[in-house]
Amino acid sequence: QVQLVQSGAEVKKPGASVKVSCKASGFTLTNYGIKWIRQAPGQGLEWMGWISGHNPHYTQKFQGRVTMTTDASANTAYLELRSLTYDDTAVYYCARDREAGYGSSWYPWGQGTLVSVSS
Amino acid sequence: QSALTQSASVSGSPGQSIIISCSGDGSNVGGYNLVSWYQQHPGKAPKLLIYEENKRPSGVSNRFSGSKSGNTASLTISGLQTEDEADYYCCSYAGGGTYVFGSGTKVTVL
Repeated sequence: QVQLVQSGAEVKKPGASVKVSCKASGFTLTNYGIKWIRQAPGQGLEWMGWISGHNPHYTQKFQGRVTMTTDASANTAYLELRSLTYDDTAVYYCARDREAGYGSSWYPWGQGTLVSVSS
Repeated sequence: QSALTQSASVSGSPGQSIIISCSGDGSNVGGYNLVSWYQQHPGKAPKLLIYEENKRPSGVSNRFSGSKSGNTASLTISGLQTEDEADYYCCSYAGGGTYVFGSGTKVTVL
């Protein structure tokens, strides 16, 4: 069964960093692009960037503050976000390209990881 | 990159058809045939409904259909059912390896 399972909820203080994992099963993660999307409470979806193999592509908003990586041996992708502010409180999703080589739509999605930034 | 524009809410009675629109410009919706649509129920991850403007993944009901005219994409839900009550998001390729989502539409089944 093709699925993505993300790590559990995190509570961080402003200025800290968080690292969210996204473990793949049923397919080889590095054969597909993995997208990262976040959703603030009560808000819409926000695209953050993606990684293909070991090549990351970040949207300008998060440049310098985000790192996306993959660990082929663990079949897992990671999202690290640094210098957290209250505005980073959101559910963070990973999602796989629907088909290898076709990166414009995404299935499946992970279940989401809630990151709460609170003092 | 600003979010694509969607109506905040759309409603309909069971069995009716509704249309959700998604407006962008030539740098996103109008410039590529790469619009997708996602359905999100409360507390759940989004689910892919339509890709490349009008294609349905296996397992998605044929009550969902997509189209595009110029800079506006549309999602039609036919034969509205209670389980269709959810939030719907469009998403478009925006060049340079980037994507942009719509602002989201809440569908209410009356």
